Amino acid sequence: NAGVMQNPRHLVRRRGQEARLRCSPMKGHSHVYWYRQLPEEGLKFMVYLQKENIIDESGMPKERFSAEFPKEGPSILRIQQVVRGDSAAYFCASSPSGSRSSGNTIYFGEGSWLTVV
Amino acid sequence: SQQGEEDPQALSIQEGENATMNCSYKTSINNLQWYRQNSGRGLVHLILIRSNEREKHSGRLRVTLDTSKKSSSLLITASRAADTASYFCATDRAAGNKLTFGGGTRVLVKP
Repeated sequence: NAGVMQNPRHLVRRRGQEARLRCSPMKGHSHVYWYRQLPEEGLKFMVYLQKENIIDESGMPKERFSAEFPKEGPSILRIQQVVRGDSAAYFCASSPSGSRSSGNTIYFGEGSWLTVV
Repeated sequence: SQQGEEDPQALSIQEGENATMNCSYKTSINNLQWYRQNSGRGLVHLILIRSNEREKHSGRLRVTLDTSKKSSSLLITASRAADTASYFCATDRAAGNKLTFGGGTRVLVKP
């Protein structure tokens, strides 16, 4: 059973270009979360999605960032017109359900490291 | 300050010693989880402790939770060089679906 798969692992973009990060959740998981980690910091929540629905995007910047989780295919985090401050590690996580009151663990991918030059 | 703050920020110990790190949080939680992150890698789930539990063990790991003080501790016994990593606590709030992470404790275990 493969874990959470993210690609690309490393991405370099020039300022103003677009970055697309992909995440395939673990088999059987229908909930996806995106987090961003700046150097030497903890992870910051960005967005929580179920298939075809955005459940919570309270951590997403208001502009240039968008996320989707289509019925078929991976979840995509899209960053338009990237700036140097977008350089970070972007982690995707998945869980079988959104409720963790029963103690469901969420599982993280290995991350996508974005460098904006 | 943020929900879930680890203390200390950095810890350097000799192999074989115990490592203890603490996490404080502000709001009510469902669960608290500890993760490990090696440099340049993703997060590895270590242990989950529910709000109605006080202590949990997993191998060389011992986690405590004190909901009255809104704090948790992670103890790694008989540390090894391979335990060198950053350790994060993450809280799952009673009214939300997202994990909130602290800034992490960077642990260096010297051989």
